[in-house]
Amino acid sequence: EAGVTQFPSHSVIEKGQTVTLRCDPISGHDNLYWYRRVMGKEIKFLLHFVKESKQDESGMPNNRFLAERTGGTYSTLKVQPAELEDSGVYFCASSQLAKTREGELFFGEGSRLTVL
Amino acid sequence: EDQVTQSPEALRLQEGESSSLNCSYTVSGLRGLFWYRQDPGKGPEFLFTLYSAGEEKEKERLKATLTKKESFLHITAPKPEDSATYLCAVRGVRSYNTDKLIFGTGTRLQVFP
Repeated sequence: EAGVTQFPSHSVIEKGQTVTLRCDPISGHDNLYWYRRVMGKEIKFLLHFVKESKQDESGMPNNRFLAERTGGTYSTLKVQPAELEDSGVYFCASSQLAKTREGELFFGEGSRLTVL
Repeated sequence: EDQVTQSPEALRLQEGESSSLNCSYTVSGLRGLFWYRQDPGKGPEFLFTLYSAGEEKEKERLKATLTKKESFLHITAPKPEDSATYLCAVRGVRSYNTDKLIFGTGTRLQVFP
């Protein structure tokens, strides 16, 4: 069974440019999460989808970040325009609705974003 | 505010030298404490969930325990393949409407042969 896949694995952009990160969750997983790890800091929650609906987007830093989940399948996270402080590793995770309480999230390998 | 603090930041062990990692937490109503393992360049990998004080979970050389203020991850007779960053996370009542996890910064474990 394929795991959570993220693309690109690494992106280097100039300040002010736009970047779109993509996440393909494990098939059948209705929960999809985005987390971010900034250098030296802990992994922080960004937002949570249940199917195509945003359940919680309280962790989104500001309106330069836009997340979508088309038809409850893959998700994209767009940063526009990118700022230096957006640099970090963006993790996507998915889980089954029935496993929500157990906290068993399956993480992708992350998309490393470097803003110059 | 819900918070997780892990110690030590880094730990170097000789193969076979048992030790413990600490996770202290402050949360308004614990709905679960989670341990994850992360290898370099990879995403976190789920290990355990603990729900209430006194609970213990085991997996191979790892054993997780929970009190009302902290959790320990005990590593018995570690092997080099246990080298990784171990992450602790909690879910509190404040995030009742979501599944948001609050992570600590992790303990980087290195086991030498």
